[in-house]
Amino acid sequence: GEDVEQSLFLSVREGDSSVINCTYTDSSSTYLYWYKQEPGAGLQLLTYIFSNMDMKQDQRLTVLLNKKDKHLSLRIADTQTGDSAIYFCAESNYGGSQGNLIFGKGTKLSVKP
Amino acid sequence: GAVVSQHPSRVICKSGTSVKIECRSLDFQATTMFWYRQFPKQSLMLMATSNEGSKATYEQGVEKDKFLINHASLTLSTLTVTSAHPEDSSFYICSALAIQETQYFGPGTRLLVL
Repeated sequence: GEDVEQSLFLSVREGDSSVINCTYTDSSSTYLYWYKQEPGAGLQLLTYIFSNMDMKQDQRLTVLLNKKDKHLSLRIADTQTGDSAIYFCAESNYGGSQGNLIFGKGTKLSVKP
Repeated sequence: GAVVSQHPSRVICKSGTSVKIECRSLDFQATTMFWYRQFPKQSLMLMATSNEGSKATYEQGVEKDKFLINHASLTLSTLTVTSAHPEDSSFYICSALAIQETQYFGPGTRLLVL
């Protein structure tokens, strides 16, 4: 079945850039998402990218998609302590009537002052 | 942006009782809502897809008689955990499918069964 893989931990210093990577197996993925989960909270949609795009930028966030390698990355510029959270990569295929997401296990980002 | 609420945010119940969790889309209509379960330090697992006016579609391994889903209106879906057991303790998150096929998540409900 479909699978989404992420590294589990990332530690950066405040002010540096963070890059969180994700790989997926479903070649028919049409949408790819990044979600943020703060401790004890639900998910917050950060950004998403259509599979026919290579890059999307939204303020401090840059998403890069390499569809050939099925690789997605999220770059957070000027990382702040408030960015400390778990970041989930997710993919979906809306070719059919379903819209369920397949999530990775999440990358815990720790930002050191 | 689109807002989805869940109620209650936390619930503690005794083993054997039933608990109802509500998921509401506050500023948009959602014919489809999803229920996820998240175990500590793990990813979210889809439990079921809730469609307004029809029966929910359950993922493999999820007991439909234990996790009752009702999607009675375009803005409300409920998940009832029946005869709760300690192993049902978890973080339950709903999402609602908006236009452009984007899901918006609720804040989650933490269930603790004693």
